[in-house]
Amino acid sequence: DVKVTQSSRYLVKRTGEKVFLECVQDMDHENMFWYRQDPGLGLRLIYFSYDVKMKEKGDIPEGYSVSREKKERFSLILESASTNQTSMYLCASSLWTQTNTGELFFGEGSRLTVL
Amino acid sequence: GQNIDQPTEMTATEGAIVQINCTYQTSGFNGLFWYQQHAGEAPTFLSYNVLDGLEEKGRFSSFLSRSKGYSYLLLKELQMKDSASYLCAVVDSNYQLIWGAGTKLIIKP
Repeated sequence: DVKVTQSSRYLVKRTGEKVFLECVQDMDHENMFWYRQDPGLGLRLIYFSYDVKMKEKGDIPEGYSVSREKKERFSLILESASTNQTSMYLCASSLWTQTNTGELFFGEGSRLTVL
Repeated sequence: GQNIDQPTEMTATEGAIVQINCTYQTSGFNGLFWYQQHAGEAPTFLSYNVLDGLEEKGRFSSFLSRSKGYSYLLLKELQMKDSASYLCAVVDSNYQLIWGAGTKLIIKP
């Protein structure tokens, strides 16, 4: 069974703390993505990666950074958490296709609350 | 700008049929996805349409009209487990996914 695993389901952090969200996939997928999901809004892409050590900004990269040192692992970093980063964070992976039309496999999400 | 519109919430009865609409205005089109997301869980893939017409997959069907910028997801013989949010997403001309806000479907006995 294919699997995308996110390290933490629930986190509570304080403003200014550094936060690491880890994501691991076991499908040998080239593509990995970090989204945030907020009520009433569509999924918003934060960062994505098509290969090891490669990263591209999505629609809302400000306040975030990422790391992809190994193909199976894609980490999202909040250097200094702020209350407006309270959200559900979803990691996803997919096989590379030229037209980005591969099925996305999602992790179960990490619900982050910043106080 | 780019826009995907879906109803926020729909209610239907167990055993009935429901149609969830999705209209889009995007810069180009390279396909449309439907995903299902149960509360507190990961979204899971339902369908992908790139050509006009209806594609059937068991109780679920997805329809696309590119000229009208319109798709729908049709769910037949509704079951309680179909209570979930249904997400529509379009691949635009830059091969980026544009997501709708999702439709929460409530099934009543």
